[in-house]
Amino acid sequence: DAGVIQSPRHEVTEMGQEVTLRCKPISGHNSLFWYRQTMMRGLELLIYFNNNVPIDDSGMPEDRFSAKMPNASFSTLKIQPSEPRDSAVYFCASSFSTLGTSGYEQYFGPGTRLTVT
Amino acid sequence: GQQVMQIPQYQHVQEGEDFTTYCNSSTTLSNIQWYKQRPGGHPVFLIQLVKSGEVKKQKRLTFQFGEAKKNSSLHITATQTTDVGTYFCAGLHRGSQGNLIFGKGTKLSVKP
Repeated sequence: DAGVIQSPRHEVTEMGQEVTLRCKPISGHNSLFWYRQTMMRGLELLIYFNNNVPIDDSGMPEDRFSAKMPNASFSTLKIQPSEPRDSAVYFCASSFSTLGTSGYEQYFGPGTRLTVT
Repeated sequence: GQQVMQIPQYQHVQEGEDFTTYCNSSTTLSNIQWYKQRPGGHPVFLIQLVKSGEVKKQKRLTFQFGEAKKNSSLHITATQTTDVGTYFCAGLHRGSQGNLIFGKGTKLSVKP
């Protein structure tokens, strides 16, 4: 039974380049979350989709970040242009939940370690 | 904004000693979840607490949810080297749209 799948696992890019991170949630899950983890700021929620619709994107740092979920089995997080301060581990997580009700456990992918030089 | 505070940030213990991490919210929570992240790994769900005053046990781990549903704790009895990692609490605030607010985690190291 496949868990949450993320690609790439590691990405090294130069400042100014576009970066696209990909996520395949667990089949049947209807909620998808993108997180960023750094030593300084811990685990931060960037954006949350429910049934493919963005519900809360207040954590998206700025216009350089964008996320899409074109269907229930795929999501992307794009950074354009990338900056060194974007270096972090980016996690995708999925769960089955209903808006406004008690939450269900989130299943995290292995993460993408992004380094921007 | 809504926050979940977690202490301590780091804890170093000798194998066999007990360990406790605490989580506090400024507002009432609908529920609280606990996750463990091994070094180099990803957060893995441990448990969810929903009821006021709830206590749940998983082998050597004891989880508590406060009466006011604003705080929680995780206690590990007789730590082992396999307990090494970072433990996160994550709260679902009342009236939220379903997204968890994670604490910054407590990093546990265990000296054999």
